Amino acid sequence: GAGVSQSPRYKVAKRGQDVALRCDPISGHVSLFWYQQALGQGPEFLTYFQNEAQLDKSGLPSDRFFAERPEGSVSTLKIQRTQQEDSAVYLCASSLAGGQPQHFGDGTRLSIL
Amino acid sequence: GDSVTQMEGPVTLSEEAFLTINCTYTATGYPSLFWYVQYPGEGLQLLLKATKADDKGSNKGFEATYRKETTSFHLEKGSVQVSDSAVYFCALPLTGGGNKLTFGTGTQLKVEL
Repeated sequence: GAGVSQSPRYKVAKRGQDVALRCDPISGHVSLFWYQQALGQGPEFLTYFQNEAQLDKSGLPSDRFFAERPEGSVSTLKIQRTQQEDSAVYLCASSLAGGQPQHFGDGTRLSIL
Repeated sequence: GDSVTQMEGPVTLSEEAFLTINCTYTATGYPSLFWYVQYPGEGLQLLLKATKADDKGSNKGFEATYRKETTSFHLEKGSVQVSDSAVYFCALPLTGGGNKLTFGTGTQLKVEL
């Protein structure tokens, strides 16, 4: 597709379950970012990949959060043992290279019951 | 650390009114500055950017000028339309490489007929 694609659009999970969120970046985009957006707030950086290398994971809130991009294209954000405070919209963005504008997907809205 | 501060919303205007959304920043050096727009249920879209002091970014009738003297990047539009109703985010890249962005809390704009 032409844009960044995220799936699922909505995810409801019970507290303690593991979830996996998928991001398909724009073809050829080297850089990939994950952000977390709480209700009524701006997105907050979680982690950044350049190709398959995770160069920055300083924004991941705990070791329950894990991201990968094994072939330098599709990325998965995994949250283990989910907690209610994990409820948010998770946004993925990609860019052609560092310093280029980031293109965002529509996000995955995660609700933890 | 680097950050942006936006005026709180919601901002409610009549169609064809003049719009200003204030944004000020704190940063090391002179980073690029961005305005992103988020329509309901969608991800963020880059609206405009400026890469150095005194640059003016513009797109779709919106403008913002990079003012280093006042550390500001206010968003303006001369005549808003109902279709401009959205949440607007000011953003800048954090230091440390990778072009990860930090966002303001967002300003919701509602335009009424």
